[in-house]
Amino acid sequence: ETGVTQTPRHLVMGMTNKKSLKCEQHLGHNAMYWYKQSAKKPLELMFVYNFKEQTENNSVPSRFSPECPNSSHLFLHLHTLQPEDSALYLCASSQDRNSPLHFGNGTRLTVT
Amino acid sequence: AQSVTQPDIHITVSEGASLELRCNYSYGATPYLFWYVQSPGQGLQLLLKYFSGDTLVQGIKGFEAEFKRSQSSFNLRKPSVHWSDAAEYFCAVVTFYNQGGKLIFGQGTELSVKP
Repeated sequence: ETGVTQTPRHLVMGMTNKKSLKCEQHLGHNAMYWYKQSAKKPLELMFVYNFKEQTENNSVPSRFSPECPNSSHLFLHLHTLQPEDSALYLCASSQDRNSPLHFGNGTRLTVT
Repeated sequence: AQSVTQPDIHITVSEGASLELRCNYSYGATPYLFWYVQSPGQGLQLLLKYFSGDTLVQGIKGFEAEFKRSQSSFNLRKPSVHWSDAAEYFCAVVTFYNQGGKLIFGQGTELSVKP
């Protein structure tokens, strides 16, 4: 039990598909994050939510759309993705913006 | 701009040998510093953190790290490596701005352990 659960673990989708990634945290944290991890590159922060409000969007293309209905759940809606979007997408949560992050195990996304 | 550098992309050590993974950061003030480990197919797990106080911090799994302000470094060490330590290690720094901290990661160091 990592405290942060991501589903699905693996996802293969075509460029015209629409899918969603789900993240749930059981830690009572107030901040949630989406990171993209590509091979040979540093982790890229995509979005930050603090008390359900989006506080950061790091110039992420609009084909990625986050949703945070409450402080325990975070979604990443995907549509018309490109092959270069294939990566490991990690969700994380923290008590506040200055506290250590707790990560889920990620969703391995492959865009064909 | 704030940054984190891990100079070694890949390191191989023998089981039982000592280990040091390097991390340098660029930030004007005293940062919060972290080391995370990622095993294959897993998310990142926090090994240890430095916020203030004693510059030598102890973490889980027998790891420790030392903050050296003069060298802007936060190197990770372990006296005797086990085969299960093979993983990727990430150094990270929290920088501060109006809305709270922003976590910046290094590129990671992949550790292989020889029997």
